[in-house]
Order: sequence, then C-alpha cells, then structure tokens
Amino acid sequence: NAGVTQTPKFRVLKTGQSMTLLCAQDMNHEYMYWYRQDPGMGLRLIHYSVGEGTTAKGEVPDGYNVSRLKKQNFLLGLESAAPSQTSVYFCALGTGTTLSTDTQYFGPGTRLTVL
Amino acid sequence: AQSVTQLDSQVPVFEEAPVELRCNYSSSVSVYLFWYVQYPNQGLQLLLKYLSGSTLVKGINGFEAEFNKSQTSFHLRKPSVHISDTAEYFCAVSPQNRDDKIIFGKGTRLHILP
Repeated sequence: NAGVTQTPKFRVLKTGQSMTLLCAQDMNHEYMYWYRQDPGMGLRLIHYSVGEGTTAKGEVPDGYNVSRLKKQNFLLGLESAAPSQTSVYFCALGTGTTLSTDTQYFGPGTRLTVL
Repeated sequence: AQSVTQLDSQVPVFEEAPVELRCNYSSSVSVYLFWYVQYPNQGLQLLLKYLSGSTLVKGINGFEAEFNKSQTSFHLRKPSVHISDTAEYFCAVSPQNRDDKIIFGKGTRLHILP
C-alpha cells in the first residue's frame, strides 16, 4: 500500500455519534484524498488536499470535514454520523505533481457502519 | 465536466480465455485515462494510464488498453485470464486542459470461472 495506513480498520457508530478517521503516510507526498466506496456507486471523492494546511471539496463533501495540519496526516471527521454514511472509506496518496495525471496509492480501507 | 461509463457491471469469463472490459468517456476537452484494479478486501492500485503518445498502453499483469479518441473509449484487454485476476476494475478520467481531479467509473467485477 505504498506506505499509506488507515486507522481504524472497522468501526460501528450509532446515529449522531462523531468519529475521526486517520490516514497517515510515511513519505513526503503532497496530494492526499478521501473516498467512499458503495456498492454500485464506484468510488466517490469526499475531500482532498494538495499540501499541508490545504483542503478542498470533492464530489460528496456534505457531512464530512477534513484537516491536514501535518503533511503526513489527513484526517476525515464525521461530526454527527448518519446511516447514509455507512460505507467503506479509502484514503489515497498521490505521488504526482498534478491532480490530473496523479498516480494514486490507496490505503486498505475503513469499514464504517452507522446504526 | 468529464464522465466515465463502464458498460458492464459484471463480466464472467473462463480461465485462460481472453477478456475485454469496456470503458467509454464523455468530455468536451482532451483527457487522460486510467485503469485501476481492486482485489478483494484491498484498496485500488494502478494497472495502467494513458497520458500521451501511443494509443496502446501496456500495464501490469499482462493487461493492456487502447485509447480510441473517435469512439471515446479506453477498453481494457487481456489475452488469457488467470484465477488471480478476479477483482473489480475501475476506469477513470481527468481533463488535460486544466489541473483537476480524476473521476472514477462505477467498476466492473471480473469473475473467473474454472
């Protein structure tokens, strides 16, 4: 997984609870991404970051917040979890110098269930 | 904006037979194209990508794809599949004229039959 780790691997939440997913890299790349994967929907981009201290919205940002205070870590937060956020969450690390041509390396995923 | 359509959600194929996974895209500008593979319970990994040059792109594990601009397609092929090719395959697109994110298709699940 090219040095991309995700914590935790599994989590069950109740509606309204909050949590933070951590993505960490052991390299020095600028681009990091958070995706969610749902059956039949493919991969959808939630938020991304092009460097320390910067974040931007993807296709489906509502209900999520992110922070990139340190270059190595990209955090995804759910302030008030909803059943619609039940999904598998993937972090990806981009090794390129542009978004359009970036080769992404994906972490192993976090399986989140919201009851 | 760009979009990508993977025409088949599932493709069954016998072991050692050839396979083609279809991908079509829509865009008003020139594009870059990618194929990623996701093995069971893992994250995605890059199979191959087309940025420029030869329209026939060779990737890992014996896969190749051909960029066809007139048909706006980027189909993935392998002449002889193995049981280890069982996975989900994602086509993706991004624009050439500006620096913007890669958009993934919904995936095609490849089932290898013994």
